[in-house]
Amino acid sequence: ETGVTQTPRHLVMGMTNKKSLKCEQHLGHNAMYWYKQSAKKPLELMFVYNFKEQTENNSVPSRFSPECPNSSHLFLHLHTLQPEDSALYLCASSRSGDADTQYFGPGTRLTVL
Amino acid sequence: LAKTTQPISMDSYEGQEVNITCSHNNIATNDYITWYQQFPSQGPRFIIQGYKTKVTNEVASLFIPADRKSSTLSLPRVSLSDTAVYYCLVGVSGGYNKLIFGAGTRLAVHP
Repeated sequence: ETGVTQTPRHLVMGMTNKKSLKCEQHLGHNAMYWYKQSAKKPLELMFVYNFKEQTENNSVPSRFSPECPNSSHLFLHLHTLQPEDSALYLCASSRSGDADTQYFGPGTRLTVL
Repeated sequence: LAKTTQPISMDSYEGQEVNITCSHNNIATNDYITWYQQFPSQGPRFIIQGYKTKVTNEVASLFIPADRKSSTLSLPRVSLSDTAVYYCLVGVSGGYNKLIFGAGTRLAVHP
């Protein structure tokens, strides 16, 4: 399924690096989400964008900075991360910011050294 | 927020029917019940959604009793490829922040 794509699929970065994760959806949806999934933990909602406007910031540290230039693209800019930020970062989209079915991308496996 | 409770893990064998029950005692009137499936290192995938009674699609069935305080996902004749984590969520229109993923149920299907 290629409705939601994420790049890169794997990323290794040092604590002083700056990197960005990219998500693109080809489903014509209006809402996009970032989730974090650490090992053996449930998915944690990080950010929600609805019609390009950020509508949810779930107490995420400022070293994570989202950007949504249009309804099809979502970025997560990373800087000065910590080793505990190593996780699978998942992007999802839905028709709206409601509880509509969310379609997830394959995720980016991030390792912070 | 409607909290959900599921068994942590289940085991089954190929060809058997698997029923995973989720408790959501505080479900609100407008909440829908949605199930997702997740394979290792992949994003969750929508399986089925329902509001009451029974819903069936090509993958699974969802049984919801009249009081809606629980729901049961039924997977007919599972195969090894059904080994995954299954999440039960409740959410309502306009309440995207209510889509909270719990720990899920880790289903292992054995030959």
